Amino acid sequence: DGGITQSPKYLFRKEGQNVTLSCEQNLNHDAMYWYRQDPGQGLRLIYYSQIVNDFQKGDIAEGYSVSREKKESFPLTVTSAQKNPTAFYLCASSMKANYGYTFGSGTRLTVV
Amino acid sequence: GNSVTQMEGPVTLSEEAFLTINCTYTATGYPSLFWYVQYPGEGLQLLLKATKADDKGSNKGFEATYRKETTSFHLEKGSVQVSDSAVYFCALLPSGNTPLVFGKGTRLSVIA
Repeated sequence: DGGITQSPKYLFRKEGQNVTLSCEQNLNHDAMYWYRQDPGQGLRLIYYSQIVNDFQKGDIAEGYSVSREKKESFPLTVTSAQKNPTAFYLCASSMKANYGYTFGSGTRLTVV
Repeated sequence: GNSVTQMEGPVTLSEEAFLTINCTYTATGYPSLFWYVQYPGEGLQLLLKATKADDKGSNKGFEATYRKETTSFHLEKGSVQVSDSAVYFCALLPSGNTPLVFGKGTRLSVIA
């Protein structure tokens, strides 16, 4: 079955550490996205990539980094510069930039 | 700019009640409009969509009509079930290659 996989489902990080969230898709989609979800704030765009080896900042990119070396993979690194990283992170993909999105099941990151 | 405003929750209804969740938008050009649903601990699933004015999207008993004159895309269902309890997100996909913009979400609780 085609789909988009995020791992791990739960992640704990100590303050001051970087951590990388995985996102893999086998849908042959060109575009991939990272959103952050906080209670009462909806989804906010962190980074997106419309093609391999290219990506753009979203609304809240500070403290995050991404890479897009392969079409099927779009990992997100939460760096120690992110002041409040505890949140639910959602990855999505779409066939083209103006198509509907398929979402992964999310990673819940908690800083301890 | 592009933005989505949806009614604040939580919304609590009895089983078989009529549901309306209001959604209005601001956008340049001709966006596509979506409703997504999120069940606890999961990612988002596409519920329905409409790509042009006066289109009606429908799925699983839910409906929404793209009203350009009122810039609205209200979600309705004639008879809700306990299994409809979830968070509902209205979203717009602007013209061009700009990513999806989400509302803040509305939590629906249906009680038996």
